[in-house]
Amino acid sequence: AQTVTQSQPEMSVQEAETVTLSCTYDTSESDYYLFWYKQPPSRQMILVIRQEAYKQQNATENRFSVNFQKAAKSFSLKISDSQLGDAAMYFCAYRSRGGSEKLVFGKGTKLTVNP
Amino acid sequence: GAGVSQSPSNKVTEKGKDVELRCDPISGHTALYWYRQSLGQGLEFLIYFQGNSAPDKSGLPSDRFSAERTGGSVSTLTIQRTQQEDSAVYLCASSLRAQQGYTFGSGTRLTVV
Repeated sequence: AQTVTQSQPEMSVQEAETVTLSCTYDTSESDYYLFWYKQPPSRQMILVIRQEAYKQQNATENRFSVNFQKAAKSFSLKISDSQLGDAAMYFCAYRSRGGSEKLVFGKGTKLTVNP
Repeated sequence: GAGVSQSPSNKVTEKGKDVELRCDPISGHTALYWYRQSLGQGLEFLIYFQGNSAPDKSGLPSDRFSAERTGGSVSTLTIQRTQQEDSAVYLCASSLRAQQGYTFGSGTRLTVV
């Protein structure tokens, strides 16, 4: 079974600075999807960015980008120019391309943004 | 609707009572998922519906938990004889294409006293 590990329970960053959240995963599959979700205090999970494993180019969405290292099974999230509204729990998730449609989540990283 | 709607937003129930949690997915989304999020934990998969296929119930923690999806749309998660360890946020999500990820609702916070 696939597992997702987020080794940083909490992180903090100064407003306007850059922060990187780590995620590693374990799988024997060669094709899959990876996601980062943000969960603010409102509880609603918001998709931040996604990556398809067969694509070598790292995904980017405005201030959010990933560093996808397939051989190392690493999928880190970089937030540039951090804003107060970025404060939230961030979850890394894995999904197989075929077979089970379940998302497998890490335990999350709580990001604090200091003014 | 525009998003995934869950009701109630919060539910307090007495130990031993039954509860029903409702999820209304985005119109046209064929897949619907239920997850449980306990305090300080990640998301635990419960059950998955895809179209008319038999649901994947592999994540249901006990036979006190059940779910149905009527007409391929609204889903109800039922917990019978609630226990204190059932206290958690129950999140519902729907999707159309797997590579696009899920769209989540705001969840139901269940408190069993």
